[in-house]
Amino acid sequence: EVELVESGGGLVQPGGSLRLSCAASGFTFNRYWMSWIRQAPGTGLEWVANIKEDGSEKYYVDSVKGRFTISRDNAKNSLYLQMNGLRLEDTSLYYCVRSQAADYKYDLWGRGTQVTVSS
Amino acid sequence: DIVLTQSPVSLPVTPGEPASISCRSSQSLLHSNGNNYVDWYVQKPGKSPQFLIYLTSNRAPGVPDRFSGSGSGTDFTLKISRVEAEDVGVYYCMQAVQTPNTFGQGTWLEIK
Repeated sequence: EVELVESGGGLVQPGGSLRLSCAASGFTFNRYWMSWIRQAPGTGLEWVANIKEDGSEKYYVDSVKGRFTISRDNAKNSLYLQMNGLRLEDTSLYYCVRSQAADYKYDLWGRGTQVTVSS
Repeated sequence: DIVLTQSPVSLPVTPGEPASISCRSSQSLLHSNGNNYVDWYVQKPGKSPQFLIYLTSNRAPGVPDRFSGSGSGTDFTLKISRVEAEDVGVYYCMQAVQTPNTFGQGTWLEIK
């Protein structure tokens, strides 16, 4: 089955860190750009970061630059998001997303993993 | 960042009737290659978003032909020719002409 399964979310205090993981299955992972897109409670969608098929290019939304790092391990069919210096406004459901093109045609979404930043 | 404004915010529709959602951009979404970089997604209740339309008017695989997209520059539209009960959800436009991708605030389509 073609799917993406996120893990690693949880409750963390402001300033803390979390590492999200996304396990891909059912497709050739190293042929796709991958992204993280988040959704704060009751609100819309916010693109966070993406990474090229071979990991050579990475892009971030300004609000997470210098705090979040996207990476991938094609041998393990896995995508990661290291989140440091977490802020209250980072509280969201984080989706792992496959794209058919670099930054559009988001054709496969995971179910998401919840990150809650609270003191 | 490019701001996308969708209207209406809420759209009650009778099954079998058409529906139309507008997406207006703060900047042109027309790339120098001639493509307008607009996608549409739908998030059904309790589910992750699903891919509907790319490059303004191209349906994703498996999307029924009652869904269509149009527009150019700063004004874009998603149309459903005959709404079905399964179409309930929040519809989002997204631009990809400039990084970061940005999404509209969403339009909640409900069945009357």
